[in-house]
Amino acid sequence: KAGVTQTPRYLIKTRGQQVTLSCSPISGHRSVSWYQQTPGQGLQFLFEYFSETQRNKGNFPGRFSGRQFSNSRSEMNVSTLELGDSALYLCASSLGMGYNEQFFGPGTRLTVL
Amino acid sequence: QQQVKQSPQSLIVQKGGIPIINCAYENTAFDYFPWYQQFPGKGPALLIAIRPDVSEKKEGRFTISFNKSAKQFSLHIMDSQPGDSATYFCAAETSGSRLTFGEGTQLTVNP
Repeated sequence: KAGVTQTPRYLIKTRGQQVTLSCSPISGHRSVSWYQQTPGQGLQFLFEYFSETQRNKGNFPGRFSGRQFSNSRSEMNVSTLELGDSALYLCASSLGMGYNEQFFGPGTRLTVL
Repeated sequence: QQQVKQSPQSLIVQKGGIPIINCAYENTAFDYFPWYQQFPGKGPALLIAIRPDVSEKKEGRFTISFNKSAKQFSLHIMDSQPGDSATYFCAAETSGSRLTFGEGTQLTVNP
């Protein structure tokens, strides 16, 4: 069974631009969560989607948003990029609500110049 | 209250040694405690996980010890190998919700 896939793997943007990242969960998994990983802040939860609905949201500004499609694929968007948004953005999938095991993708490395 | 504290920040052992990584939490609502292993350029990979109703879980060379009263849990790696060199994260979760991660431990196993 294929793992979690994320596209693109690397992205370079400039301040003020916006970016969309994509995540395809493991087949059969219906829950998708997004995390931001930086050297200074570590791994921080962004949001979680299940059945196309945001179920949980971390402490990030409104510039960070996401959505989930009917096939469970998810996208996250960051608008008005800031230098501090440079990070590895990780997507994790799980079977669904009440199932704990989350499996991570390889991440998208975003660099903001 | 949502934090998970992890130590040490880095750890160097010789091949065959038993590195131990410790984590502590405050939120008693946490009911699932996984450990993740991350290699450079890769996403975290689920290694082993435990629930608070058991005090120890072993999978291969990896063992989690859990102390509910102390709100602490630890990862032991038996017979460590150079291929185990990676960053290890503990985490905690409540009822299938968000994962709260520790700060990470960079483990180096020397040949």
